[in-house]
Amino acid sequence: EVQLVESGGGLVQPGGSLRLSCAASGFTFSGHEMNWVRQAPGKGLEWVSYISNRGSTIYYADSVKGRFTISRDNAKNSLFLQMNSLRAEDTAVYYCAKFRYSYDFDFWGQGTLVTVS
Amino acid sequence: QSALTQPASVSGSPGQSITISCTGTSSDVGSYNLVSWYQQHPGKAPKLMIYEVTKRPSGVSNRFSGSKSGSTASLTISGLQAEDEADYYCCSYAGSSTYVVFGGGTKLTVL
Repeated sequence: EVQLVESGGGLVQPGGSLRLSCAASGFTFSGHEMNWVRQAPGKGLEWVSYISNRGSTIYYADSVKGRFTISRDNAKNSLFLQMNSLRAEDTAVYYCAKFRYSYDFDFWGQGTLVTVS
Repeated sequence: QSALTQPASVSGSPGQSITISCTGTSSDVGSYNLVSWYQQHPGKAPKLMIYEVTKRPSGVSNRFSGSKSGSTASLTISGLQAEDEADYYCCSYAGSSTYVVFGGGTKLTVL
């Protein structure tokens, strides 16, 4: 069974930093692309960042470019999101999501809440 | 990176059919058959319901179907059931610069 478990969320002041983690199990993590998607309270889904299976290709949404860094450790089946220079508008539940060749997200974690205040 | 356009809300009675539209541009929905749809119940993670415009993942009811015409994709739910009440989001590949874009979401109410 595929499982994605996010951690690392919490309350941080504007301008601060936070590092999110996503522990993956139930599939060959090193063979799959991964993403972070966020959802502000009461709002819709927003794609944040993509990383290829080996980490060689990375994309970011314009809203986080230059402030967030996605990475992965295939030996530890883990995905990360380093978030710097946090703003109030970054407040959201952050989901890690498994990506497929068909450009869709077939499995999602339960999310971790980041509050910037 | 503009969001795809969805109606804020739709409603229907049990047993009826509803359709949710998702309007993009020639840079996303109109250029790629890579539209997916997600169902999200309150407090839960999104669930993949449709991918590549028309395909259903294993385990998703055949009451859910997808289509596309030009730059507008649609999700149709037939034989509405109470458990279908949720938020629905469309998503499209948008090329290597924008990459992926979501719709603003549609709240489905089963009357």
